[in-house]
Amino acid sequence: DTEVTQTPKHLVMGMTNKKSLKCEQHMGHRAMYWYKQKAKKPPELMFVYSYEKLSINESVPSRFSPECPNSSLLNLHLHALQPEDSALYLCASSQESRGSPNEQFFGPGTRLTVL
Amino acid sequence: AQSVAQPEDQVNVAEGNPLTVKCTYSVSGNPYLFWYVQYPNRGLQFLLKYITGDNLVKGSYGFEAEFNKSQTSFHLKKPSALVSDSALYFCAVRPGGTGFQKLVFGTGTRLLVSP
Repeated sequence: DTEVTQTPKHLVMGMTNKKSLKCEQHMGHRAMYWYKQKAKKPPELMFVYSYEKLSINESVPSRFSPECPNSSLLNLHLHALQPEDSALYLCASSQESRGSPNEQFFGPGTRLTVL
Repeated sequence: AQSVAQPEDQVNVAEGNPLTVKCTYSVSGNPYLFWYVQYPNRGLQFLLKYITGDNLVKGSYGFEAEFNKSQTSFHLKKPSALVSDSALYFCAVRPGGTGFQKLVFGTGTRLLVSP
């Protein structure tokens, strides 16, 4: 299985809602990533988990809260988002993140719209 | 700090003709270089990478890239373009070394292959 899956594919939420994005991989990768991508722009790194521990937070607002329940799962909890947070949220995984040239495998993304 | 430049927002090529998508980089030390492709409303797909060794790297779907250290370039090429190659292409770089090294993406180049 060489796939990263993400659910839901689309999400529309109001600014007062709480929702979660889910990412799963069964490739035995020990590094997992959340990226945010605006239209026609490159992905921007948000968080990195290495061996189920948060290792990088790229100064992301606290209304985004990541969670890594186990080595295969990565969640992104959303609360009190703003319309400018509307974007494609991509999850990725790689064998590990430290000092290695392993490529990242990306999921299809969740298209988030905040009203 | 590392950076990647993709000087062309869009590249147009006729089907059957060779294509080149340009990428130049700036990084301290030896670079790890990657190409990814993104189809509309999809995640990024890994095409190929350069770590070390032969300057000509072959990847998926008939794509190849040439690493040129003196020109700090890593251009993506394909001998004969297909209409289905039309997509957004991202070059990315990360420096070698230990510890977490962030993958830095270029701004992307849209490839349009006409029938």
